[in-house]
Amino acid sequence: GNSVTQMEGPVTLSEEAFLTINCTYTATGYPSLFWYVQYPGEGLQLLLKATKADDKGSNKGFEATYRKETTSFHLEKGSVQVSDSAVYFCALSVVDTGRRALTFGSGTRLQVQP
Amino acid sequence: DAMVIQNPRYQVTQFGKPVTLSCSQTLNHNVMYWYQQKSSQAPKLLFHYYDKDFNNEADTPDNFQSRRPNTSFCFLDIRSPGLGDAAMYLCATSSGVWESTDTQYFGPGTRLTVL
Repeated sequence: GNSVTQMEGPVTLSEEAFLTINCTYTATGYPSLFWYVQYPGEGLQLLLKATKADDKGSNKGFEATYRKETTSFHLEKGSVQVSDSAVYFCALSVVDTGRRALTFGSGTRLQVQP
Repeated sequence: DAMVIQNPRYQVTQFGKPVTLSCSQTLNHNVMYWYQQKSSQAPKLLFHYYDKDFNNEADTPDNFQSRRPNTSFCFLDIRSPGLGDAAMYLCATSSGVWESTDTQYFGPGTRLTVL
């Protein structure tokens, strides 16, 4: 089946520190990969995505590269801000046999301190 | 701006009292989804509509029903809410192309409290 594994949180960083949140996956087909962000009390916002191997998704200073050989999609940001404090979900999508669904990781809470 | 709207943002109901949550979209997407998200957990898909075709997840309790009267609106009905149904309910949409690149866009969620 399909699954996504994320590093456990919380991740606590100081402002301007470098961020990496690890994400690895297993999939029965050729998945698209996503990072969603959820701010406190809010729904999920699409942060970035990649649809094929070696694609790099980027948005708001965040980046992630689709690595098929290591089945990974790690999220990185060079310099985090307090406003980046949120829960980050890695997810994959494989449309097969009439079922369409996102498979989410368990989420990683990021806390950025001033 | 095109978007996914959920109403209300916060809903309080009593144990066993039916409740309906609403979702609307201006994206003109074919597919609408309902997810349940409990505290500190990942969202869990309950069901989705592809146009008018309803697709239930195998482990979704019968207590949860859905209606989609037109392209823009989708409702989640909880017939007899229990304490365990307290959660954030997320609506999402996607265009419905038959590819894995079919990105899902989420609404802000409705937080349901069951007293």
